[in-house]
Amino acid sequence: DGGITQSPKYLFRKEGQNVTLSCEQNLNHDAMYWYRQDPGQGLRLIYYSQIVNDFQKGDIAEGYSVSREKKESFPLTVTSAQKNPTAFYLCASSIGLAGYTDTQYFGPGTRLTVL
Amino acid sequence: KQEVTQIPAALSVPEGENLVLNCSFTDSAIYNLQWFRQDPGKGLTSLLLIQSSQREQTSGRLNASLDKSSGRSTLYIAASQPGDSATYLCAVSWIGGYNKLIFGAGTRLAVHP
Repeated sequence: DGGITQSPKYLFRKEGQNVTLSCEQNLNHDAMYWYRQDPGQGLRLIYYSQIVNDFQKGDIAEGYSVSREKKESFPLTVTSAQKNPTAFYLCASSIGLAGYTDTQYFGPGTRLTVL
Repeated sequence: KQEVTQIPAALSVPEGENLVLNCSFTDSAIYNLQWFRQDPGKGLTSLLLIQSSQREQTSGRLNASLDKSSGRSTLYIAASQPGDSATYLCAVSWIGGYNKLIFGAGTRLAVHP
């Protein structure tokens, strides 16, 4: 089965803790993305990566960090510097042809709650 | 600032109705526009992608149109069914923005039997 998996489905964090959200894809896509969704709002881009070992900040990168050591994996760390991390986090991937925009495929999401 | 707006925020219709969801965007220099479906607590499913050079795309009972000059797109759903109940999101990528998508807040659709 080809697709994008995210884990865990639900995550609870205490104040001051860093947590890491997992995103794995077996679609052989070059590009991967992390979005945040708050209730009643659209998605906002946190970070994106066009190729392995390269990534760029999106619109709301403060308090987050990522790595892209493998093509299939793009983990997101929510650090203690993120003041309001409670949200629904979605990972996506796309073929990523240079200079061409293509359909993004989304994972099932991780719901993060700060206790 | 590049923004995407969706109207209405919520819609409730009886089964069988044809309906139109609206999306408007600032700045006509777009690469493409995409419509997604999101079920409660789930990820997004891509429905239709319209390139900037296209006027419309169709998939089954869904038809999406694009008018760049007016900064508008519509998603037409024919003969709505209860299974169509979901949130529909419009997203735009602009020239120079790689594949960065800007999303609207969505239209929450309820189709009742």
